[in-house]
Amino acid sequence: QVQLQESGPGLVKPSQTLSLTCTVSGASISSGSYYWSWIRQPAGKGLEWIGHIFSSGSTNYNPSLKSRVTISVDTSKNQFSLKLSSVPAADTAVYYCARGVVSSSGYYYDLDVWGQGTTVTVSS
Amino acid sequence: DIQMTQSPSSLSAFVGDRVTITCRASQSIKNYLNWYQQKPGKAPKVLIYAASSLRSGVPSRFSGSGSGTDFTLTISSLQPEDFATYFCQQSYSTPFTFGPGTNVDIK
Repeated sequence: QVQLQESGPGLVKPSQTLSLTCTVSGASISSGSYYWSWIRQPAGKGLEWIGHIFSSGSTNYNPSLKSRVTISVDTSKNQFSLKLSSVPAADTAVYYCARGVVSSSGYYYDLDVWGQGTTVTVSS
Repeated sequence: DIQMTQSPSSLSAFVGDRVTITCRASQSIKNYLNWYQQKPGKAPKVLIYAASSLRSGVPSRFSGSGSGTDFTLTISSLQPEDFATYFCQQSYSTPFTFGPGTNVDIK
């Protein structure tokens, strides 16, 4: 079955860049029926959509983070990545990667497969 | 951005109870509303997509309804494994947004 796995440093210093990679197994990231997302959740709080990418490289970012976010895809490795620059302590959270479903008419549906999440702490 | 609200924020129920959670969007999102279940320390798991469609493998005691701005998630007979936090999410327009969550615990 399809599985997603986040990887990257668990500790990042303030003002530095947070970098995470999501490795997809059991399916090709090049499938046109899906989009590939990053979502985060501070401890004890709700979920925040960060952005997503299609295998074509087309991206969509949350305006609240847009100036600091870059999502990229490497189809040869079946991976997609997140970079978040100039991080403050408020970026401390569990970061999830997830697969989103696109309907046959091109509309966005749900996030149907999620990684287990990785905790990133921003601290000196 | 489309704001999502949920009510109640928490509820206590017995095993076997019928439970209903409400989600409201700040503008019409047609039927682009999804429901997720999250247990402590775990990733969210989708239950319902497109307001009323059950994802494969999800028990039939879960159901969703609504369109436009008002939606509900119903658990027809609460089971021990259903005690969790439930989130709604709109996928009508970016930025996708989530409701604040409803915590369902044991009475």
